[in-house]
Amino acid sequence: DAKTTQPTSMDCAEGRAANLPCNHSTISGNEYVYWYRQIHSQGPQYIIHGLKNNETNEMASLIITEDRKSSTLILPHATLRDTAVYYCIVRDRLDYGQNFVFGPGTRLSVLP
Amino acid sequence: GAGVSQSPRYKVAKRGQDVALRCDPISGHVSLFWYQQALGQGPEFLTYFQNEAQLDKSGLPSDRFFAERPEGSVSTLKIQRTQQEDSAVYLCASSLDAGKDGYTFGSGTRLTVV
Repeated sequence: DAKTTQPTSMDCAEGRAANLPCNHSTISGNEYVYWYRQIHSQGPQYIIHGLKNNETNEMASLIITEDRKSSTLILPHATLRDTAVYYCIVRDRLDYGQNFVFGPGTRLSVLP
Repeated sequence: GAGVSQSPRYKVAKRGQDVALRCDPISGHVSLFWYQQALGQGPEFLTYFQNEAQLDKSGLPSDRFFAERPEGSVSTLKIQRTQQEDSAVYLCASSLDAGKDGYTFGSGTRLTVV
């Protein structure tokens, strides 16, 4: 079973920031938070991952609470192409072979 | 190529037919995963290879499912005597470093069993 809970769906206006929450209250000390997204008819796409510090890359920012029990993925200026299902996953980064357990994710709709 | 390539993109099989799905990972990628994704759900783990060794096959739903990666590069997922519940998208993912920094997924093979 997935170790994360996410809202089923969210809407965001084009050009605004999309903030996608994720709860992972049972996360262990060795587990990282990973985010993937899946655009219709494509395979999942890696977005970002982090342990306890906030992370930023060209796609998004990841904010992890100090107790690590929740996180937020931020798409700073959402476009229509960001419409997708977003998956939050926790995984031991160094457990080679541990698979990614996907939950149902959050369906983000970016509206014009 | 630059990405993970899967073929065929679409496959329609009659119930009872055997199918073979191919995955070409990114060159040099050590780790390879297969996932199954039913309509409207997240991907579910099937099996994992590190090079040619199949280290975890706990997700394979029955003994009709078989995967191999004989030379540590291309992998094939075979399903024998297909049934309607096997209809799904089959995703392959590869990584250089066991996924520490994320996996690269292919676009999948959509299998429809009629």
